[in-house]
Amino acid sequence: AQTVTQSQPEMSVQEAETVTLSCTYDTSESDYYLFWYKQPPSRQMILVIRQEAYKQQNATENRFSVNFQKAAKSFSLKISDSQLGDAAMYFCAYRNYGGSQGNLIFGKGTKLSVKP
Amino acid sequence: DAGVIQSPRHEVTEMGQEVTLRCKPISGHNSLFWYRQTMMRGLELLIYFNNNVPIDDSGMPEDRFSAKMPNASFSTLKIQPSEPRDSAVYFCASRNQEQRGQPQHFGDGTRLSIL
Repeated sequence: AQTVTQSQPEMSVQEAETVTLSCTYDTSESDYYLFWYKQPPSRQMILVIRQEAYKQQNATENRFSVNFQKAAKSFSLKISDSQLGDAAMYFCAYRNYGGSQGNLIFGKGTKLSVKP
Repeated sequence: DAGVIQSPRHEVTEMGQEVTLRCKPISGHNSLFWYRQTMMRGLELLIYFNNNVPIDDSGMPEDRFSAKMPNASFSTLKIQPSEPRDSAVYFCASRNQEQRGQPQHFGDGTRLSIL
């Protein structure tokens, strides 16, 4: 069974600085998807960024980028120029590529605080 | 476009009562997922449907929990009888299974408190 591990329960960053959130996963599959979701206090689950495992290029969305290391099964999220609105819980998630298994497997989350 | 719609947003009820949570997926999405979020266990899949058919219900905690999807635009998650340990945030999510890369879209969740 696939598992997702986020080893940092809490992180803190100064406004305008850069922070990296860690995520590792375990799977025997070669094709799959990885996601980062943001959950602010409003409890919405907001997609931040996604990565297809067959793509070697790291995904980027504005200030958010990932460092995808397939051999190491690592999928870290880098937030550049941190803003107060980035404060939230961040969840790393895994999904199998095909078949009928479309559900997400989540890590336990990292709570990010942004200091003004 | 309307997102995934869940109701109610908050539910407070006494132990032993029946609770029904509702979800309307995004139009055109044929996969629907129910997740539960607690401090202790994080986000866990309870059940998911493809084309209104339950595919995997191994996450449903026990027989007190049941889920239905009578049509493509509506699903319910029912707890009967409810217990204090069922208190959690319950999320519904949907996606189009045919679009492999498409992420799941989440509703705003239902915060359930069982007294």
